[in-house]
Amino acid sequence: QVQLQGSGPGLVRPSGTLSLTCAVSGGSINSVNWWTWVRQPPGKGLEWIGGIYHSGTSNYNPSLKRRVTISVDKSKNQFSLNLNSVTAADTALYYCARGGGYSGSYIEDWGQGTQVTVSS
Amino acid sequence: QSALTQPASVSGSPGQSITISCTGTNSDVGGYNLVSWYQQHPGKVPKLLIYEVSKRPSGVSNRFSGSKSDYTASLTISGLQAEDEADYYCCSYAHNDNVKFGGGTKLTVL
Repeated sequence: QVQLQGSGPGLVRPSGTLSLTCAVSGGSINSVNWWTWVRQPPGKGLEWIGGIYHSGTSNYNPSLKRRVTISVDKSKNQFSLNLNSVTAADTALYYCARGGGYSGSYIEDWGQGTQVTVSS
Repeated sequence: QSALTQPASVSGSPGQSITISCTGTNSDVGGYNLVSWYQQHPGKVPKLLIYEVSKRPSGVSNRFSGSKSDYTASLTISGLQAEDEADYYCCSYAHNDNVKFGGGTKLTVL
């Protein structure tokens, strides 16, 4: 089973860029999977941010698409999330995950989550 | 984008069966057999229970089952146990390579 470990700054200033990385162990980032980000605001539900296929194809939540980039670093066996122009509404627990099925339609493995707070 | 619609809460007694609904449109739930369900205990990571409407991953109890009719998917938990008390989320592939979650349902075991 793949293990996922997210990391990154826990505090981001408003209008800044949120940058998180997810290290993949127990498997290759080149394997046939959708490497995915999901977030959960405090006390609220899950929100799919987007995913990137092993081939490099990426899909994003339409409501976040203008601000989001997901990329893969094959040399480090990790993938990353960049979310720019952040506001307090982007405060959430950010999960990196391994998606499966058609277009990453379901999440098979989840990281532990990285708490990010947007505040000045 | 609008989330899939789930009841905010459901409850049941030990041993009973409960069903959680997840309603969408023909652009998501109704258009594809790509609905999944997750269980999340407080402070814990979500866990995949059902994928592609009714398939169970290895290791998931057969007390959990999924189905779909038109625009509504359902998760049924039979033989309710205290440990089933958690939040449950549905999820569906949606048109144009999008993925949507439901708002979540809190299950209380009485």
